[in-house]
Amino acid sequence: GAVVSQHPSWVICKSGTSVKIECRSLDFQATTMFWYRQFPKQSLMLMATSNEGSKATYEQGVEKDKFLINHASLTLSTLTVTSAHPEDSSFYICSARNINYGYTFGSGTRLTVV
Amino acid sequence: RKEVEQDPGPFNVPEGATVAFNCTYSNSASQSFFWYRQDCRKEPKLLMSVYSSGNEDGRFTAQLNRASQYISLLIRDSKLSDSATYLCVVNMGGGGNKLTFGTGTQLKVEL
Repeated sequence: GAVVSQHPSWVICKSGTSVKIECRSLDFQATTMFWYRQFPKQSLMLMATSNEGSKATYEQGVEKDKFLINHASLTLSTLTVTSAHPEDSSFYICSARNINYGYTFGSGTRLTVV
Repeated sequence: RKEVEQDPGPFNVPEGATVAFNCTYSNSASQSFFWYRQDCRKEPKLLMSVYSSGNEDGRFTAQLNRASQYISLLIRDSKLSDSATYLCVVNMGGGGNKLTFGTGTQLKVEL
């Protein structure tokens, strides 16, 4: 079956630093990757959609200069949280869409900014 | 009005009980519908897709009513392992194939 590997699974960083989260599709080509954020007791909120080789499309209210998304290949997408602040602490999850497998989620990254 | 609305629960039920979750969605042009299960601090996992004719997978039955923009999930003979948050998820179309998630309904199955 389709597997999306997401790393790191958790990270603690200091305010002002940047954190990079990677998502790799291991056995299929992900034409589209979605990045979500989930705060405690809330649902997943879509942050942005990226298609391989093109710029990401950000949802309203999501700062594209703060959340940098790169989808340079059909198997790898990265999300970099720049100049992280405590309010960016959240659970970040990627999802890859493939025409054959539908939507496959990564295991998530729990970010804590101190 | 939220795009996808669910009763947050929690639903506390005894083992063996039948429990039903409801969900409503706002966009009548929505194209596809799913139920996902999310365990605490984990990623969501697809439980089942929901089809207009209704569909069943073992103890789980999903129904879709497009006219009422309403989706349901029925779990029969609840197991302790069914304890989780159940997310109603809708692809609202409009390009991009984006999924919109409900806030989830928490289920606790007890002895």
